[in-house]
Amino acid sequence: AAGVIQSPRHLIKEKRETATLKCYPIPRHDTVYWYQQGPGQDPQFLISFYEKMQSDKGSIPDRFSAQQFSDYHSELNMSSLELGDSALYFCASSPGWGVNTEAFFGQGTRLTVV
Amino acid sequence: SQQGEEDPQALSIQEGENATMNCSYKTSINNLQWYRQNSGRGLVHLILIRSNEREKHSGRLRVTLDTSKKSSSLLITASRAADTASYFCATANRDDKIIFGKGTRLHILP
Repeated sequence: AAGVIQSPRHLIKEKRETATLKCYPIPRHDTVYWYQQGPGQDPQFLISFYEKMQSDKGSIPDRFSAQQFSDYHSELNMSSLELGDSALYFCASSPGWGVNTEAFFGQGTRLTVV
Repeated sequence: SQQGEEDPQALSIQEGENATMNCSYKTSINNLQWYRQNSGRGLVHLILIRSNEREKHSGRLRVTLDTSKKSSSLLITASRAADTASYFCATANRDDKIIFGKGTRLHILP
């Protein structure tokens, strides 16, 4: 069965550069979540989209922005990168926006800022 | 507010023993989910328990939910070396935002 696809899997950027992370949800899933997991930390909710509209926002810095496109894939854009942005970034998708929707996670993008 | 506080933060047990991890949360939830994560890898969904359910089984996994105490437990029976991983609980609130706790690092000793 198709899973959530994230690209790239690994990314190395320098400080102050920009990075774009992509997420392709499971087919027919219309909800996408983004999470950031620092080393040894729990995943922190960044932002979510339902039907191409932002549905919720967590601890996402102003330097970050995201959107969900007409084909339901999502991109997380990160500008003016800082060393502290080095983390594993996960995307998850779920079918619909309702009670008891199970979220399926991608393998993550490991971002290293040097 | 912090949701999904796991305890213990780290647990080491002998292979074959049962492992129990607990999770507490603060606000009302629609469901609670348990995930497993091998070091530096992706999050694997283990089991979802709805707010109106009290217990659920899946293979060697048993999850309980006590909404009056706002707590859940994950029991892994007959542990195996391959169960070594971090285990997170995550709660989905009425807005369906999924919030993770800090996780329990489980180490199965041979």
